Amino acid sequence: GAVVSQHPSRVICKSGTSVKIECRSLDFQATTMFWYRQFPKQSLMLMATSNEGSKATYEQGVEKDKFLINHASLTLSTLTVTSAHPEDSSFYICSARSPSGVSYNEQFFGPGTRLTVL
Amino acid sequence: EDQVTQSPEALRLQEGESSSLNCSYTVSGLRGLFWYRQDPGKGPEFLFTLYSAGEEKEKERLKATLTKKESFLHITAPKPEDSATYLCAVQARSGGSNYKLTFGKGTLLTVNP
Repeated sequence: GAVVSQHPSRVICKSGTSVKIECRSLDFQATTMFWYRQFPKQSLMLMATSNEGSKATYEQGVEKDKFLINHASLTLSTLTVTSAHPEDSSFYICSARSPSGVSYNEQFFGPGTRLTVL
Repeated sequence: EDQVTQSPEALRLQEGESSSLNCSYTVSGLRGLFWYRQDPGKGPEFLFTLYSAGEEKEKERLKATLTKKESFLHITAPKPEDSATYLCAVQARSGGSNYKLTFGKGTLLTVNP
């Protein structure tokens, strides 16, 4: 159980375009989803926390107008990188938290999306 | 501010050579400490959650322990398939209902046959 998927797994785009990444919890309902960014040989840095049906909470230094997050249902959250630039190239990973059960505070991670902006 | 420091940054072992990875943390009230395994180009895979000092958990060749200041991930008789980056993360009580994690930079483990 506790499977999280991401789509696409890899995307290459031109500078100035927007890219949407989907994160789905496949076998549980996730009231909270998290978006992370990971640069090479660095750890995961939390970008934002999204709760179903409400606005996302962004970490300090993360531009909310550039990284649009929508958590419209209990199984789907999307991250849209608007007007992407080469410095946005990174590995984007989502995670989801199950609100109940013995693992209520654990996060289950998706496989990640490699974004390359040319 | 919550902080997590992992050491060493990289560790190279021979197959069968046991060792330990360290995770030192500073947090305003620990809700939980998590260990994950991450393979190249993949998302983290959950290993353990520890909640209080003195707690220990085991899974195959891995054993995680927790004190008030640090956690250790002991690897007994490792195999090449144990090669990965091992990440430690803490969750603070002050996070409220956010349950957000603060990660360390990880330890890259390489096990040679």
